[in-house]
Amino acid sequence: NAGVTQTPKFQVLKTGQSMTLQCAQDMNHEYMSWYRQDPGMGLRLIHYSVGAGITDQGEVPNGYNVSRSTTEDFPLRLLSAAPSQTSVYFCASRWDEGAGLYEQYFGPGTRLTVT
Amino acid sequence: GQQLNQSPQSMFIQEGEDVSMNCTSSSIFNTWLWYKQDPGEGPVLLIALYKAGELTSNGRLTAQFGITRKDSFLNISASIPSDVGIYFCAGQPRGTGRRALTFGSGTRLQVQP
Repeated sequence: NAGVTQTPKFQVLKTGQSMTLQCAQDMNHEYMSWYRQDPGMGLRLIHYSVGAGITDQGEVPNGYNVSRSTTEDFPLRLLSAAPSQTSVYFCASRWDEGAGLYEQYFGPGTRLTVT
Repeated sequence: GQQLNQSPQSMFIQEGEDVSMNCTSSSIFNTWLWYKQDPGEGPVLLIALYKAGELTSNGRLTAQFGITRKDSFLNISASIPSDVGIYFCAGQPRGTGRRALTFGSGTRLQVQP
C-alpha cells in the first residue's frame, strides 16, 4: 500500500495562475479531505468528500475547488492563485463508518509558494 | 467552530526525560487522536482513543481519553532525539456526524541529546 500520495511536492506559482494539486489513496477510504497548514495556525480544513460525487466545504474553502469522480482521487484546484494561498497543503483519507472510523491518514504534503 | 486548546505550545527537554502534553475543549468529544509531524512531512497517527477513561500505549507513548470527554493527554517516557517534532491532538466533537476532525495547534518538542 502506498497510502495517501500527493503531487507535486513543491510548486511555485505567480499570482493569477491556476493549478491542480493531486491526491490519491489506495486504501478504499470513502472520506477524503484537504487541509492547509500555516505557521501558528495548525491544520485548517479546506474541502472534504464522503464519496464519489459528494463534496462539501470546510473551514477555509474560498479560492479552492474540488471534485471527486472516483474513490481513489481527490484533486484540489486553485483557479487564480493569490499570495495568501502560500502554504503547505495536506490531503488525508479515512473510513466513513465502522471500526477505526476517525483514524485519518495524511499524505506527505505539497509546499506551494505564490509570488 | 470547535476549539481545541493544546498545551504547552513548545517544550525543550533533555534526552531521557518524560514529557506530558494535553488538549482541552469546552465541548464533548467522541474520539481523540494524537499525531506526530516530522519536519517536512505529513502528520502520522500515533494513538486513537474512543472511550472515556481509555488509556492506550504505543511503545513509549501513552495517551488517555479524559473522563469528562473534554480532554486528552499524551505522555512520552524516556525521550530520545527522534521524538523531536510537532505533536497534534485531534478530536471528533459529539454530534458533528461526518464532519471533519478538529485539530489543536500543536506542541513543538525539542530534545537535547
